[in-house]
Amino acid sequence: DAGVTQSPTHLIKTRGQQVTLRCSPKSGHDTVSWYQQALGQGPQFIFQYYEEEERQRGNFPDRFSGHQFPNYSSELNVNALLLGDSALYLCASSLEGDGNTIYFGEGSWLTVV
Amino acid sequence: AQKITQTQPGMFVQEKEAVTLDCTYDTSDQSYGLFWYKQPSSGEMIFLIYQGSYDEQNATEGRYSLNFQKARKSANLVISASQLGDSAMYFCAMRERQTAAGNKLTFGGGTRVLVKP
Repeated sequence: DAGVTQSPTHLIKTRGQQVTLRCSPKSGHDTVSWYQQALGQGPQFIFQYYEEEERQRGNFPDRFSGHQFPNYSSELNVNALLLGDSALYLCASSLEGDGNTIYFGEGSWLTVV
Repeated sequence: AQKITQTQPGMFVQEKEAVTLDCTYDTSDQSYGLFWYKQPSSGEMIFLIYQGSYDEQNATEGRYSLNFQKARKSANLVISASQLGDSAMYFCAMRERQTAAGNKLTFGGGTRVLVKP
């Protein structure tokens, strides 16, 4: 039973560039959320996808966008990268109606230079 | 707005001893869920234990137990018989509206645990 998988594991981008991060939820899960974790801090909620639609959104600018595909996998896109976007990006999945078990992937480490 | 507070930035614990990690929360909801996660240096957020606000008994999962005191709004994690592999960051998190779907979590700032041999 595969858990939550994320790719790429590490990447380095230049200021102003765009990045796409990918997430495959745990088998059987249909809800995906994305979190940003800056160094030394707890994760911050970016947004959540269910049935291919953004259902909730945290306090992040429109440069952060996402998508969910029919197979429940998801992408996080960040445009016009800033140095402050350097962080660990975590994907979490769960099953609609069962919010008691929320699993995370290993994350994607993004460095903006 | 929800808030999670972890007042211990770092802790040392002797191998084989128990350690308690503090977590207090603030919410206006009556229905919510509380989670603890372990984050090793690799970055993965590993689910440890869950407590629902209406659960009458404290949750336990192996060496992990959650000391839930609803009136005090605290949800402390107890790790018994610490092992060297327990060295990691530990995060307390809360999800509002236990009966609602979705998985938006609010996290605390974390506690770093270092187990000494």
